[in-house]
Amino acid sequence: EVQLVQSGAEVKKPGESLKISCKGSGYRFTSQWIGWVRQMPGKGLEWMGIIYPGDSDTRYSPSFQGQVTISADKSISTAYLQWSSLKASDTAMYYCGRFAYDILTGYFDYWGQGTLVTVSS
Amino acid sequence: DIVMTQSPDSLAVSLGERATINCKSSQSVLYSSNNKNSLAWYQHKPGQPPKLLIYWASTRESGVPDRFSGSGSGTDFTLTISSLQAEDVAVYYCQQYYTTPHTFGQGTKLEIK
Repeated sequence: EVQLVQSGAEVKKPGESLKISCKGSGYRFTSQWIGWVRQMPGKGLEWMGIIYPGDSDTRYSPSFQGQVTISADKSISTAYLQWSSLKASDTAMYYCGRFAYDILTGYFDYWGQGTLVTVSS
Repeated sequence: DIVMTQSPDSLAVSLGERATINCKSSQSVLYSSNNKNSLAWYQHKPGQPPKLLIYWASTRESGVPDRFSGSGSGTDFTLTISSLQAEDVAVYYCQQYYTTPHTFGQGTKLEIK
């Protein structure tokens, strides 16, 4: 059974760093893209970026390029989303999702349960 | 970026009636390798992750009730729920996966009238 299990909710202060995780199981982790999607409070879904764990090829949305870092550790089948200096505007639910295929033209067929990040002084 | 525009923003439909949600892309999302449109539909309920309903514009994901159907090509797409059930109350999103970033529409909130 394919599963994506995300790390737990976080409460941080502005300026702090954070790394959240998404652990895949039940499939070949290195062979399918994994991506991150943001949902700010009361807003819609925003595609942030994706990574191919097999070679760490990473693509970012221009809206998020330079704001976050996406990485993966294939030895433990885990993808990460990282901030070096959080802002209040980073407060959101973050979902990871797995591409249905190993090609770039893919939709999310499985999703993590979401990680709520709250940034407040 | 390809801009995805959904209409309407919200929709109220009576139980058992048809619900139709539209999605327009700012450019064609036809994937030449298989001649299919790179368009997916997701259902998102509060407290849950999004759920894939439709991919390649019209292919229903396994386990999705057949009252959900997708249609369209090129730049204009439609999600239809043939007979609305109470459990269909959710926000629905279209997404193009033709080119990165794989942009979502703004969402359509579906409620019971």
